[in-house]
Amino acid sequence: EVQLVESGGGLVQPGGSLRLSCAASGFNFGSYSMNWVRQTPGKGLEWVSYISDSSSTISYADSVRGRFTISRDNARNSLYLQMNSLRAEDTAVYYCAREMLTGNCLDYWGQGTLVTVSS
Amino acid sequence: DIQMTQSPSSLSASVGDRVTITCRASQSISRYLNWYQQKPEKAPKLLIYTVSGLQSGVPSRFSGSGSGTDFTLTINSLQPEDFATYYCQQSYSTPTFGGGTKVEI
Repeated sequence: EVQLVESGGGLVQPGGSLRLSCAASGFNFGSYSMNWVRQTPGKGLEWVSYISDSSSTISYADSVRGRFTISRDNARNSLYLQMNSLRAEDTAVYYCAREMLTGNCLDYWGQGTLVTVSS
Repeated sequence: DIQMTQSPSSLSASVGDRVTITCRASQSISRYLNWYQQKPEKAPKLLIYTVSGLQSGVPSRFSGSGSGTDFTLTINSLQPEDFATYYCQQSYSTPTFGGGTKVEI
């Protein structure tokens, strides 16, 4: 069974940093591209970042480029999101999501981890 | 970025009804359109990929159609477990999602 479990969310002050993790199991993690997607009540679902299976291709939403860094450790079946210079508008539930091998879609999602940026 | 507009934003329906949700892209996205279902406090779940591909395990009462800029998700014979929020998403370029359609009783 495919499982994605996020962790690392919490309350952080504006300007602070946080590192999210996503532990994958039930599939060959190293063969799949992965994504981070966030959700806020006001802005809905927003794609945040993408990393290819070998980490050779990485992309970011304009809203986080230069502040967030996506990475992965295929040996540990783990995906990460380092978030720096956090702003109030980064407050959201963050999901890691697997990209389907053929289909350009997100076929499995984790349960999400809440990040709250507030003083 | 490509903007995705869903309509309606919410609808009321009854068990057994046929429900249609529309998604419009701000430019042509060919067939790079996916649909997700989300229930309260849960993660989105993939229903349909590339316009009409049914994800494994998804009931056949769900179907999708369209191309270019206009797409439709249809639920035939609505079931109690189908009351949820539905999102479209384009994967033609930087992924973007529609604003969601809440299907209520």
